[in-house]
Amino acid sequence: DIVMTQSPDSLAVSLGERATINCKSSQSVLYSSNNKNYLAWYQQKPGQPPKLLIYWASTRQSGVPDRFSGSGSGTDFTLTITNLQAEDVAFYYCQQYYHTPLNFGGGTKVEIK
Amino acid sequence: EVQLLESGGGLVQPGGSLRLSCTASGFIFSKYAMSWVRQAPGKGLEWVSAISGSGGSPYHADSVKGRFTISRDNSKNTLYLEMNSLRAEDTAVYYCAKDLDDTSEYLRGDLDYWGQGTLVTVSS
Repeated sequence: DIVMTQSPDSLAVSLGERATINCKSSQSVLYSSNNKNYLAWYQQKPGQPPKLLIYWASTRQSGVPDRFSGSGSGTDFTLTITNLQAEDVAFYYCQQYYHTPLNFGGGTKVEIK
Repeated sequence: EVQLLESGGGLVQPGGSLRLSCTASGFIFSKYAMSWVRQAPGKGLEWVSAISGSGGSPYHADSVKGRFTISRDNSKNTLYLEMNSLRAEDTAVYYCAKDLDDTSEYLRGDLDYWGQGTLVTVSS
């Protein structure tokens, strides 16, 4: 199984500043035949289901603001939220879909400082 | 508009059974693989099961293998999760979720639409 490790567990960022969340997989999720990283990022607000933000490690889902960006390849990935807004307060999860089980990271809580 | 509506959750005793349903609308159900993902109270997300668009390829996490069975009825646009031998650690909100990929009926695993979830509580 591919284990997903996120860091930090939580972070507090001032409004308008940048939040950076890291995600590391225990083995590469880069599929060599198509050169795609099978890595997604989700946002979950209290009492709501998760929302897909990023897939293929860096492709923003339709309707997601461009202040959200994903980067990385192989085993190390980053979700960056620039110009943090109040509505970005949430938990964020990475997930690999390279193969089953489709494991998620433990989550990162983003708060306003 | 894509909608996923879970039902069937509730309180069940350890060792008991439940069947969850997820009724889908707003998309061609049979074209997409579907997943169940659960979230224990105050905890993170755990993928449980998935199934291809035709229903021919089911997948289960080791934690539920042999106890849970995923299935679907494409004529009813409905996804199911049959849960047997339930344990306290199965207590969670269960979400159904749709695959993003529409180019293949097989599971890819990035999940673009989620239902609101149904709560399963296993307790005596």
